[in-house]
Parts: sequence; C-alpha cells; structure tokens
Amino acid sequence: RKEVEQDPGPFNVPEGATVAFNCTYSNSASQSFFWYRQDCRKEPKLLMSVYSSGNEDGRFTAQLNRASQYISLLIRDSKLSDSATYLCVVVPYGQNFVFGPGTRLSVLP
Amino acid sequence: DAEITQSPRHKITETGRQVTLACHQTWNHNNMFWYRQDLGHGLRLIHYSYGVQDTNKGEVSDGYSVSRSNTEDLPLTLESAASSQTSVYFCASSEFTSGDEQFFGPGTRLTVL
Repeated sequence: RKEVEQDPGPFNVPEGATVAFNCTYSNSASQSFFWYRQDCRKEPKLLMSVYSSGNEDGRFTAQLNRASQYISLLIRDSKLSDSATYLCVVVPYGQNFVFGPGTRLSVLP
Repeated sequence: DAEITQSPRHKITETGRQVTLACHQTWNHNNMFWYRQDLGHGLRLIHYSYGVQDTNKGEVSDGYSVSRSNTEDLPLTLESAASSQTSVYFCASSEFTSGDEQFFGPGTRLTVL
C-alpha cells in the first residue's frame, strides 16, 4: 500500500459545482498535513494547511480525520481558475514531506 | 521579495554526461530539498539539507549528489546522466522544521538522450 493515496480523478465539474477530494495515509504517526495546488507545468504552491479542528479559507475547507487516517478538501462554487492538480501532503513525525500522486480537477464553463 | 530560483529551466544532455542543476533561495531558510516529478509517481525526494554542510539521501538518491556550502544554494549533480533521469526537477526550501510549509522553485525540465 502506498504511503499516501488520493482519488485518481480526473474530476470534471461545471462552474459553480461543489467538489470534494479525499486523501488517505498509512503512517499513523503523522503530524502535519497540507494541500498543495499545482498548475500544469508549474511548481506546487501551498493551498492550505490542515488542522485537527478543520479549517476554512474562503471557498475551500479542509478536514482531518486521524482515527480513519484521511484528509479531505472541499471546494465550493468552483471557478474556472480552480482547474489544477491538487496534491495531498503528509508529514510523519520527524520525517519529510510525503506527497500523494495528485488529483486533477477540470472546471468546465 | 524573497524567492527561490532554479537554473537552467530546460536542459537537454546526453547519456553519461555530468549535469548540475542550480537552486538558489533568498528566504534564508535552513532546509532545502530536491524532488523529481514523473507521471504516475508524484513528487519524490532525492536529497535534502537541514543546514550548511548537512546533506541527506532521500527516497531516490542513486545517481545524484548534492553539496551545501552556504545557506542560499543547494546544487544537484547527476554524476553520469541516464535516460531514466529524464524528469522535471523541483527545488524547495522551508524555514525550520520538516513540518513547515515548503516553497518551491519553478522547476527544471531535464531530458537525457
């Protein structure tokens, strides 16, 4: 089993739709979690950190479920500019970033 | 503004040649990382450094080396380039701990013929 797994996608959704991505991780001793966004042929950029209590940033909501070892990202009111690949990152205690393979989102007009 | 840069942005080389990819950050971050990104594998860690004179092997370090002589730079060297090293290479940096946000450079697209 891979250390970090994500929904394979691609997700093709119309503008204005709500879309959710899941990410599961195998190392229960993981301390930090992030969602990064990567546009085609560009570098990854931090979208948001994921906190135990869950957190929201505008149209984006991230949740962490430690018991089930998954994190989620919810995007409401999708915009064309949200089209990108979303990378889940898990950081086991004392170790480095472990990236998921990414989920590609296409928001269609 | 602080930034992280990589050069060259594109490189074509031949099998067996030595290649060095440059990474320079002006964040004054302690930690620097090199990743490669291939279809179907996501980002994989090659080497990393937690400070000057510190270097460590990552998940896919065979055929690569790094050195850290100052805070700003972490060059990645391919000792003898192989076609399997054709990839997109990203450099990243973070401030303190391994759990801190990483900032990425724009990437270098390397083709080994």
